[in-house]
Amino acid sequence: QKEVEQDPGPLSVPEGAIVSLNCTYSNSAFQYFMWYRQYSRKGPELLMYTYSSGNKEDGRFTAQVDKSSKYISLFIRDSQPSDSATYLCAMSAPPWGGSNYKLTFGKGTLLTVNP
Amino acid sequence: DTEVTQTPKHLVMGMTNKKSLKCEQHMGHRAMYWYKQKAKKPPELMFVYSYEKLSINESVPSRFSPECPNSSLLNLHLHALQPEDSALYLCASSQGPQGSRSGNTIYFGEGSWLTVV
Repeated sequence: QKEVEQDPGPLSVPEGAIVSLNCTYSNSAFQYFMWYRQYSRKGPELLMYTYSSGNKEDGRFTAQVDKSSKYISLFIRDSQPSDSATYLCAMSAPPWGGSNYKLTFGKGTLLTVNP
Repeated sequence: DTEVTQTPKHLVMGMTNKKSLKCEQHMGHRAMYWYKQKAKKPPELMFVYSYEKLSINESVPSRFSPECPNSSLLNLHLHALQPEDSALYLCASSQGPQGSRSGNTIYFGEGSWLTVV
């Protein structure tokens, strides 16, 4: 079993739809959870960062972490064509620093929002 | 816009060439990273510098040589590369090991597209 599982898609939705992106993980030591958005031929852009469990909202984006289920989600409300990109989940375990700077990424989900 | 700046954006080099990729950040971050990303794959960690010292080398071939001249700059020297080294090379930074919880957040640059011919 891989440490982080993410459905690569592709996922295609109409404009205005609610999008749900998910990752599962097996390492119970993970405490820091991130979602990155990557447009074609660009570097990953940090969208959301969550420490431990709970929800975090930023505009149209909501990140959820359920550590009991080892499951994280990113919701995009009122999706726009400009949201079309690859979404990568990433996570890491404490202690941060030293030999433990590693982020473990999911494979990424390719999302297309159709006008 | 990202605050991690990478140059050049595109680089084509022959297998006998020597070239360098450069990265700069002015966020006061004390950890800097090189990642390699192939098409349709997530980024793979290559090197980590923490407080200007090499902290992690993920068994990267010696034809890739990192350098951290100061806390704001990171270079990746390239020599005798192979065509399979063609990829997007990403520089990133984070606050560092002694930062707050948000210090674990890694910020990426736009990347340098490398083609080895």
